[in-house]
Amino acid sequence: SAVISQKPSRDICQRGTSLTIQCQVDSQVTMMFWYRQQPGQSLTLIATANQGSEATYESGFVIDKFPISRPNLTFSTLTVSNMSPEDSSIYLCSVGTESGANVLTFGAGSRLTVL
Amino acid sequence: DAKTTQPNSMESNEEEPVHLPCNHSTISGTDYIHWYRQLPSQGPEYVIHGLTSNVNNRMASLAIAEDRKSSTLILHRATLRDAAVYYCILRGPSGTYKYIFGTGTRLKVLA
Repeated sequence: SAVISQKPSRDICQRGTSLTIQCQVDSQVTMMFWYRQQPGQSLTLIATANQGSEATYESGFVIDKFPISRPNLTFSTLTVSNMSPEDSSIYLCSVGTESGANVLTFGAGSRLTVL
Repeated sequence: DAKTTQPNSMESNEEEPVHLPCNHSTISGTDYIHWYRQLPSQGPEYVIHGLTSNVNNRMASLAIAEDRKSSTLILHRATLRDAAVYYCILRGPSGTYKYIFGTGTRLKVLA
């Protein structure tokens, strides 16, 4: 299975600032998925990032708030813009095997705290 | 989207088997049933998956009902390290590779 590295692992941010999370995969994948996990909650899919096209956002998430880049088949970034305390969450990057059962592999996550 | 329903929490004694149920009555014919678990302070990790037949691997067994509307993850001998949130998930809209997570079951293992 793929190995995913996420940076930063954690950060404390000030209200109104933006932070970019990086996701690096050790193999080429077509789709990368970004999830948010609010404190004590399950995972919520933010968007699907395809190389060479605009990311596809889920209901409740917009590009202005969570811009995503996908410059190549092994890398993606998620920016959390104009942060508020409600954005304090763990953000996770994930990729799948993209065939058959499409088993997912997750990064360790980026824990953001917004003051 | 196909949804899953799991109990919020379960408890088990150490060294005893654990059966974690999942209902997925709206599953489509091509949906795989996946189980992941999330240990404290970690990202989810893959446990097992299946389509129609029961499956075994080194971590667990997956029993799938004949009508595929429910499944059970079986941990044969629970250890303290198995304490985690277990998620049963299905593929999102047909033709996509994305997965939608439900609330999961928090498993507590008692020493």
